[in-house]
Amino acid sequence: SQTIHQWPATLVQPVGSPLSLECTVEGTSNPNLYWYRQAAGRGLQLLFYSVGIGQISSEVPQNLSASRPQDRQFILSSKKLLLSDSGFYLCAWSVWSGVGGDRTEAFFGQGTRLTVV
Amino acid sequence: GDSVTQMEGPVTLSEEAFLTINCTYTATGYPSLFWYVQYPGEGLQLLLKATKADDKGSNKGFEATYRKETTSFHLEKGSVQVSDSAVYFCALSSDNYGQNFVFGPGTRLSVLP
Repeated sequence: SQTIHQWPATLVQPVGSPLSLECTVEGTSNPNLYWYRQAAGRGLQLLFYSVGIGQISSEVPQNLSASRPQDRQFILSSKKLLLSDSGFYLCAWSVWSGVGGDRTEAFFGQGTRLTVV
Repeated sequence: GDSVTQMEGPVTLSEEAFLTINCTYTATGYPSLFWYVQYPGEGLQLLLKATKADDKGSNKGFEATYRKETTSFHLEKGSVQVSDSAVYFCALSSDNYGQNFVFGPGTRLSVLP
């Protein structure tokens, strides 16, 4: 069966420090991968999505970046965190075989609570 | 572009009350529709889904029917429990978006004993 791992679960970082959040998926090949952010009491904001290794699409310009070094690994990074980067970060995956083809729902990790102080 | 609108709440109900959370969407083509639930401090879990018009998704006593004529996917439960307290998200995916998912803003439900 497929599983998704996201870590760490919680993180407190000072302003200006770097960030690296990691997400890995098991049990599937060539998934679509997503990073979402959820501010306190708010909805989901899509930050990045990837349809393959090295293919990253950014939805919101900001000081975050994403990379996909392996098929089932998705990393969210920042060189210098801002206070406004605080939030709940969610990684997700899905399978989509193209227009008119098979597609699944999005499967979410347990999230990382990031507090920038 | 594609979009999802849902009542934002918060919704407060007594235990065993009837629940309806409205969800309407805008999309070209034939999207798949989903309801997700988020418990405090956790990620989103799929509650139910429907992939074509008139499909009814159901799970744990919750139901929603894909209504293409009214572009709606309202979530219902006949008798809520305290354990149903959570945030509920309506979402869609469509080929027009390269299988990205569009989420509604979420509806916070509180069920009182």
